Amino acid sequence: AQSVAQPEDQVNVAEGNPLTVKCTYSVSGNPYLFWYVQYPNRGLQFLLKYITGDNLVKGSYGFEAEFNKSQTSFHLKKPSALVSDSALYFCAVCPDFNKFYFGSGTKLNVKP
Amino acid sequence: DVKVTQSSRYLVKRTGEKVFLECVQDMDHENMFWYRQDPGLGLRLIYFSYDVKMKEKGDIPEGYSVSREKKERFSLILESASTNQTSMYLCASSLTGGQGNQPQHFGDGTRLSIL
Repeated sequence: AQSVAQPEDQVNVAEGNPLTVKCTYSVSGNPYLFWYVQYPNRGLQFLLKYITGDNLVKGSYGFEAEFNKSQTSFHLKKPSALVSDSALYFCAVCPDFNKFYFGSGTKLNVKP
Repeated sequence: DVKVTQSSRYLVKRTGEKVFLECVQDMDHENMFWYRQDPGLGLRLIYFSYDVKMKEKGDIPEGYSVSREKKERFSLILESASTNQTSMYLCASSLTGGQGNQPQHFGDGTRLSIL
């Protein structure tokens, strides 16, 4: 069965510190990988995706993600967190035509 | 910029009612999706459509149906609403590209309460 795991319900980080939000997956084949962010009372916004090539992908708002095929992981990172980064983050994989599987979400809290 | 519009932000209905949730996208996307979002469960796919009048069941289609009569509009129907369908419903659309390498674009959601 296809699955996406975000092992941390919540991540707390101080403003200016680096942040990591973890994602691992178990799907067949070589899936496409995505990160989305959701602010309160809003839909999900696309941050970045990995299709192929360089394992480090850069996206919106200074976020990047590192793909590790052997560990089947796709962790979201940012070198210096901002208070405005506080939101709910979702990892998603797409193993086949247009069907996405989402993780349960990780709430990021960035404290001033 | 892609815009996906869901007709209602908040909706309150009664058990047994037939409920319609509407979604419209303005970017000529082929694919449209309906999800429900529940705390701790992430997003779960209810139905999706890759063309007008076409539909495919997602992971949790029971108790729901959909309609896509025009390319820009995708409706979710709760045939007889029940309290366990109280949730946040999210609509999304995407272009057809390769094998799913196109991101999905989401509406702001409809928070539905069934009393």
